Amino acid sequence: DGGITQSPKYLFRKEGQNVTLSCEQNLNHDAMYWYRQDPGQGLRLIYYSQIVNDFQKGDIAEGYSVSREKKESFPLTVTSAQKNPTAFYLCASSRAGVYEQYFGPGTRLTVT
Amino acid sequence: EDQVTQSPEALRLQEGESSSLNCSYTVSGLRGLFWYRQDPGKGPEFLFTLYSAGEEKEKERLKATLTKKESFLHITAPKPEDSATYLCAVQAVAGSNDYKLSFGAGTTVTVRA
Repeated sequence: DGGITQSPKYLFRKEGQNVTLSCEQNLNHDAMYWYRQDPGQGLRLIYYSQIVNDFQKGDIAEGYSVSREKKESFPLTVTSAQKNPTAFYLCASSRAGVYEQYFGPGTRLTVT
Repeated sequence: EDQVTQSPEALRLQEGESSSLNCSYTVSGLRGLFWYRQDPGKGPEFLFTLYSAGEEKEKERLKATLTKKESFLHITAPKPEDSATYLCAVQAVAGSNDYKLSFGAGTTVTVRA
C-alpha cells in the first residue's frame, strides 16, 4: 500500500536532548513537509522540501533541522534549542504544484 | 500574511441535524482551498480541493463550496461517525514555485446519536 509512515508513534525525551523523527513516503511525491500541531491551534509549518537536497524554512523553523538526501525520506531533528518541543508532529507529502498534501499518522513527542 | 479563520470552533449536532462549517480566508491570490478531516490522535485525511469561486465538491454527506472570500462545508443528515475535527487550508500565490499551505484552527464536530 502506498502511503506515509512516521515513527515512532510516541516519543519521550529529557530536556537538553536532541531527537530525530522519521518520515518515509512511497507515493513518489516530490514535496515533503513537517508540521507541528498544538491544542487549539492550526497546523504550523516547520520545514518543507520540494526537491531532493533542497529545503526551506517554514513559519516556525527555529530549534529544528531537516535533511532531504533521498526522495522518500525527510527526517526532522528537534534540537535542545527548541523551547517548547512537546507537541504532535505531522509529516506530509504531495506532488509538486497545486495538489493536496497527504499526511502520515503523526508522532507525539513529550519532553520533560 | 495569509489568514484562515474557521468558525465555529466547536459544533454539537444531533444525528440527522444538518449544519455548515465556515472557512474565511485572506490571501494575496488563491491557488487552491483544501478541506481535511482529522480524528483524535491521527493525521488529517484529505477530503476536497476547490480552485475557483462557484466550485462545489461532494462526498457522501459532505459538500464543500467556495466563494471569493470563504468556503463552507455542509454536513447533511450527519451520523455519529462524522464526528471529527474539520480543517481548512489555503494555498496562495506566495511565489511561482511555493506550494505551502496555511491552515485554520479547525472546527470540532460532535454528532450525538
